[in-house]
Amino acid sequence: AQRVTQPEKLLSVFKGAPVELKCNYSYSGSPELFWYVQYSRQRLQLLLRHISRESIKGFTADLNKGETSFHLKKPFAQEEDSAMYYCALSAPSNTGKLIFGQGTTLQVKP
Amino acid sequence: DTGVSQDPRHKITKRGQNVTFRCDPISEHNRLYWYRQTLGQGPEFLTYFQNEAQLEKSRLLSDRFSAERPKGSFSTLEIQRTEQGDSAMYLCASSLSGTDGYTFGSGTRLTVV
Repeated sequence: AQRVTQPEKLLSVFKGAPVELKCNYSYSGSPELFWYVQYSRQRLQLLLRHISRESIKGFTADLNKGETSFHLKKPFAQEEDSAMYYCALSAPSNTGKLIFGQGTTLQVKP
Repeated sequence: DTGVSQDPRHKITKRGQNVTFRCDPISEHNRLYWYRQTLGQGPEFLTYFQNEAQLEKSRLLSDRFSAERPKGSFSTLEIQRTEQGDSAMYLCASSLSGTDGYTFGSGTRLTVV
């Protein structure tokens, strides 16, 4: 079964500290992985896609097929990074349907 | 075009009543998705349209739920005979392709009392 697991419900760090939001997935093929972010009182929005290998707002994520992980990292957290982060998987069946993890709340303290 | 619009933003209804939600996607996006999100959970897939064709439905979508996208533009999601367990945020999203990622609407929060 396809599944996305985000083991931490809450991650609290101080401003300037490194951040790693964990995401593990279960899928037998080659999935497409995404990170979505929801800031307070805003809609859910795409942060980055593994396929584009981009860095957005200083965040990066590397797909590790051996460990079936897609952890989100940022070297120096900022207070404005405080938000809910969701990891999502899409099976390349051309529907684009996403399977989301339960989400991790990132709290960056001053 | 200001993105994906959903209406209403909030809906409170009595158990047993029918409700209908509307989603207006980004005009050039041919793919439209409905998701449901309950407290503490990530969004769960409900159904998917490519243009006017409904191509996939989740088992979460019981026979009380129906979705349409009559002209390949806006979509409606109807819930008949609402139950308290239907209380959730209903999210609509659109995309141009399966790998682009979605643009989400703000959602419709349904409360069944």
